[in-house]
Amino acid sequence: DAGITQSPRHKVTETGTPVTLRCHQTENHRYMYWYRQDPGHGLRLIHYSYGVKDTDKGEVSDGYSVSRSKTEDFLLTLESATSSQTSVYFCAISKQGQAGETQYFGPGTRLLVL
Amino acid sequence: GNSVTQMEGPVTLSEEAFLTINCTYTATGYPSLFWYVQYPGEGLQLLLKATKADDKGSNKGFEATYRKETTSFHLEKGSVQVSDSAVYFCALRSTSGTYKYIFGTGTRLKVLA
Repeated sequence: DAGITQSPRHKVTETGTPVTLRCHQTENHRYMYWYRQDPGHGLRLIHYSYGVKDTDKGEVSDGYSVSRSKTEDFLLTLESATSSQTSVYFCAISKQGQAGETQYFGPGTRLLVL
Repeated sequence: GNSVTQMEGPVTLSEEAFLTINCTYTATGYPSLFWYVQYPGEGLQLLLKATKADDKGSNKGFEATYRKETTSFHLEKGSVQVSDSAVYFCALRSTSGTYKYIFGTGTRLKVLA
């Protein structure tokens, strides 16, 4: 358990509205990630962060923005939600251990865009 | 580029059957390899990992051996239980390439009593 929470856990919204998902971690990890999970695609990286105010794009970043103003919080914003952004969103952190670096995941946010 | 390929599911087994879920990878250098498990409605949990060739990761009766010569990391369990029903993801962490972590598409396992 890496102390990761996500909010909200479920969200229904309408096309064209902005949506912000929050990821919160309690262990001061430097690296944080946002993924989306869709059937047949596994997990795809949206954006990641390597420190406060340091972020970069992932594989499927179009239509998404992120912000990290504090180490513990990583926000994902859908500027204008579309039905193609209906998905399950997972936040993750990287943790360095004796056996190298490993990712740990939050519980997910299920988003439905109508 | 880096990639992970795992067998498509669903895999349906009877309780106490032997499980194999195949995973092969493409990566430059010496990646670390992982298996994650996702139970319904939950996030991904680390099941096991291996960081170098010939390492065997193991946890909860599951095992996987890092085979560099065949670029594989197959997941095995000798006797599955109904509670093992979940989706299993193979993943790698590479030291090179655009994105460090690459995941397979997942394999759904159903174990019948």
